[in-house]
Amino acid sequence: AQSVSQHNHHVILSEAASLELGCNYSYGGTVNLFWYVQYPGQHLQLLLKYFSGDPLVKGIKGFEAEFIKSKFSFNLRKPSVQWSDTAEYFCAVNARSSGSARQLTFGSGTQLTVLP
Amino acid sequence: DADVTQTPRNRITKTGKRIMLECSQTKGHDRMYWYRQDPGLGLRLIYYSFDVKDINKGEISDGYSVSRQAQAKFSLSLESAIPNQTALYFCATRDSNNSPLHFGNGTRLTVT
Repeated sequence: AQSVSQHNHHVILSEAASLELGCNYSYGGTVNLFWYVQYPGQHLQLLLKYFSGDPLVKGIKGFEAEFIKSKFSFNLRKPSVQWSDTAEYFCAVNARSSGSARQLTFGSGTQLTVLP
Repeated sequence: DADVTQTPRNRITKTGKRIMLECSQTKGHDRMYWYRQDPGLGLRLIYYSFDVKDINKGEISDGYSVSRQAQAKFSLSLESAIPNQTALYFCATRDSNNSPLHFGNGTRLTVT
């Protein structure tokens, strides 16, 4: 079975600081990887996804993530955060070809607070 | 995402009551999911369905049941609500195993 770990539960940054949120997954096969964002009071929205190809993927709002297969990681980055990036961020994994391929498994989330 | 609609948005109920949360979608997706969100635990899968004849338990299905009335409708029921089922519930859809999920706006359920 697949699992996802997000070790940072709450990150506090000042505007213009750089951001990196960690995500590690455990599954030995091929995976699809996702980052979702949940703004206060809203539902989850897709930030970016990785299926194959270039391991550095770019998403909306200046976010990017790098897939490092050897480390089973898919960390989210943004060079300069804004107050409007305050939200909760979720990493998710979907095995490509197994019974688990039918399910998308989420990490526990990281709350990002950006101070103006 | 207006294509995935959940009702009600908020519900307060008492312990022991039966309650149904409804989800409908206009995206034409076969795959539908119910998750619950709890602080510090992320989203956990309750049930999922790939068509009206395909219902599968997720990691926390105890105390819940579902009904896939049509391709576009997927309801979640709490047979006898208990306080630890207080949570934010999300319905989601997608069109393939390799696609991202599209979420509804959520139902905030409080069991007193």
